[in-house]
Amino acid sequence: EPEVTQTPSHQVTQMGQEVILRCVPISNHLYFYWYRQILGQKVEFLVSFYNNEISEKSEIFDDQFSVERPDGSNFTLKIRSTKLEDSAMYFCASSVRQGSTGELFFGEGSRLTVL
Amino acid sequence: GEDVEQSLFLSVREGDSSVINCTYTDSSSTYLYWYKQEPGAGLQLLTYIFSNMDMKQDQRLTVLLNKKDKHLSLRIADTQTGDSAIYFCTGGGNKLTFGTGTQLKVEL
Repeated sequence: EPEVTQTPSHQVTQMGQEVILRCVPISNHLYFYWYRQILGQKVEFLVSFYNNEISEKSEIFDDQFSVERPDGSNFTLKIRSTKLEDSAMYFCASSVRQGSTGELFFGEGSRLTVL
Repeated sequence: GEDVEQSLFLSVREGDSSVINCTYTDSSSTYLYWYKQEPGAGLQLLTYIFSNMDMKQDQRLTVLLNKKDKHLSLRIADTQTGDSAIYFCTGGGNKLTFGTGTQLKVEL
């Protein structure tokens, strides 16, 4: 069964360092998303991506964040200079159709710990 | 934007029914979804309901939608220990909005 895969499963980094989280969405999907979940809190929308550009982003997704689809298969989330409050589980998702009209398939998440 | 509210915890005995409730603010969703998150895992779609339906039954799962009150519920019949997880309701327009989820604990 096709699935969304994410790497790394866990990354520990020092505050101020750059981090890249990688995702391989399901191959025929067109919409890609990043969500994050700070421990014990809501799953929060960060950004959606379609046709090689950001289609929507939340207030959380500031200039420190960027997304890229560098090679047609990977979908990456870069945090330029990590802060302690960036520690969270980051989930990548993909869908055939947009938003609430289509099922989102989630990866198992990448846990980011910023020290 | 969308806001989703759920109670944080629910504890039931194995074999009983569980009812997880959700209220939402955005009525523009085409579908409303229930996702399940098992410990250490990602979110997995459990079931969904089309926004012009009142009820959907899917084996042990029953979804009820009250559009007037913007209330969604998930009933799990004959709850099993394997149902222990966090359950998220979600909807929204172009992006799905999740709440904190309801942690279901099934006791023997």
